[in-house]
Amino acid sequence: SNELTQPPSVSVSPGQTARITCSGETLSNQYGYWYQQRTGQAPVLIIYKDQERLSGIPERFSGSRSGSIVTLTISGVKAEDEADYYCQSADSGGAYKVFGGGTKLTVL
Amino acid sequence: EEQLVQSGGGSVQPGGSLRLSCAASGFTFSDHYMDWVRQAPGKGLEWVGRFRNTTDTHNTEYGASVKGRFTISGDDSQNSVFLQMNSLKTEDSAVYYCGREGTYYDAVTGRTNIYYAMDVWGQGTTVTVSS
Repeated sequence: SNELTQPPSVSVSPGQTARITCSGETLSNQYGYWYQQRTGQAPVLIIYKDQERLSGIPERFSGSRSGSIVTLTISGVKAEDEADYYCQSADSGGAYKVFGGGTKLTVL
Repeated sequence: EEQLVQSGGGSVQPGGSLRLSCAASGFTFSDHYMDWVRQAPGKGLEWVGRFRNTTDTHNTEYGASVKGRFTISGDDSQNSVFLQMNSLKTEDSAVYYCGREGTYYDAVTGRTNIYYAMDVWGQGTTVTVSS
C-alpha cells in the first residue's frame, strides 16, 4: 500500500509542543516531507528529507523519523501555527507521490 | 523572487475539457521538475502528475485517477507547464496547484539533487465540473 496515515486532528495550548505523526509502507525506504497549509492558501513546504528545514522556516518546526514513522514537532506552539499539516512521500524515483490525509492543528 | 503564476480553470460540464497554465519566474525553469496537485473542496491534497525537466527528456508521470485523461506538457521557452484535462468528471472538481520540485546541494558528492517534494507553489486555480 502507498497510503500515508496521519491523525485527523491535534490540539495544543500556546507554548506547548505539538507532535504530528505520519506512517506508511512508503516511508520504510523513502523520505518524508511536511507541508503547512493555512486556510485558503497554497501549501508551504516546511520539512524535507525527514528532518531538513526549509530556509525561512522557524526553528520551532522540526522533523524526525523512527522506522517507518516520521514526526513533525512544533515546539512552543503559537497561534499562527494553526493550520492543516500534510505529510508526503514518493516512490524511489519520485515519480509517484502520495500525501497523508492531513492533520488539523488547533491552538486552544 | 521565485514564483509560479497560474491561469486557466473555470467551470465545465462533465465530459468537457480545460487547460491550465503555470508560468515560472525567478529561477531556471528547465532545471526543475514540475508537478500538479489538486485539492477537492474540504479534502486533502492529491498528486496529479509530474513533468520532468529537459535533462530527463520531459518525461511525465500521472496519478491513477487521471491517467489517460490528463496530459502534462511544458515549454522551456515560455518557462511554463500546462495541464490539459479531458473527459472531465464531477470528481475532478478541485483547486489545482502547480509546484516546483526542490533541489539541494549534496556536499559529499558535490552534486545538486532533486528532492521529491514541492518547494514553490502556484496560487491555485479552481476547476468546477458540473452539469
